[in-house]
Amino acid sequence: AQSVTQLGSHVSVSEGALVLLRCNYSSSVPPYLFWYVQYPNQGLQLLLKYTSAATLVKGINGFEAEFKKSETSFHLTKPSAHMSDAAEYFCAVMNTGFQKLVFGTGTRLLVSP
Amino acid sequence: DAGITQSPRHKVTETGTPVTLRCHQTENHRYMYWYRQDPGHGLRLIHYSYGVKDTDKGEVSDGYSVSRSKTEDFLLTLESATSSQTSVYFCAISEGTSGGQETQYFGPGTRLLVL
Repeated sequence: AQSVTQLGSHVSVSEGALVLLRCNYSSSVPPYLFWYVQYPNQGLQLLLKYTSAATLVKGINGFEAEFKKSETSFHLTKPSAHMSDAAEYFCAVMNTGFQKLVFGTGTRLLVSP
Repeated sequence: DAGITQSPRHKVTETGTPVTLRCHQTENHRYMYWYRQDPGHGLRLIHYSYGVKDTDKGEVSDGYSVSRSKTEDFLLTLESATSSQTSVYFCAISEGTSGGQETQYFGPGTRLLVL
């Protein structure tokens, strides 16, 4: 069965620093991969998704992620963190032809001034 | 924002009582989902629906039932609530037309506390 692993339940960065949130997937077939963001007391909002069109995917709010098949990874990055980026981030995988998402356990991003 | 509402937004109930949560969409999407979110577990799928009266179990379906009598409404019922069902419940929808690459859009969540 497909799964995702997010390394680090909490990541702390300073404002202006690089953001790197890690996601590794396990799937027997080429997957569709998603990053969602959840702000406090809100639902999940799609940041970006990989559907095999391009390995480097650009999303909203300056985030991007690169699909690396050899490393089974889909890490999320942003060159310069803003205070408003503080939130919880979830990586998720969906196999081709199915409609069910499997989520990672999430990474809470803390941004300090 | 996707047109998804959940009701109630907050609920406190007692162990052993039945509870029904409602998800309503205005997008006419085929697929609807119920997830629960718990610390350290991320989101886990409870049940989903792929059409009116068509539902299936997810990863953590024990103790939950669902119904979908109209395209726009998906109900989640806890037949006899237990403290382990204290959680935040999210509804999601997707179009269901492109074979799996579709985005799921999430509602605002329902916070349930079972005493």
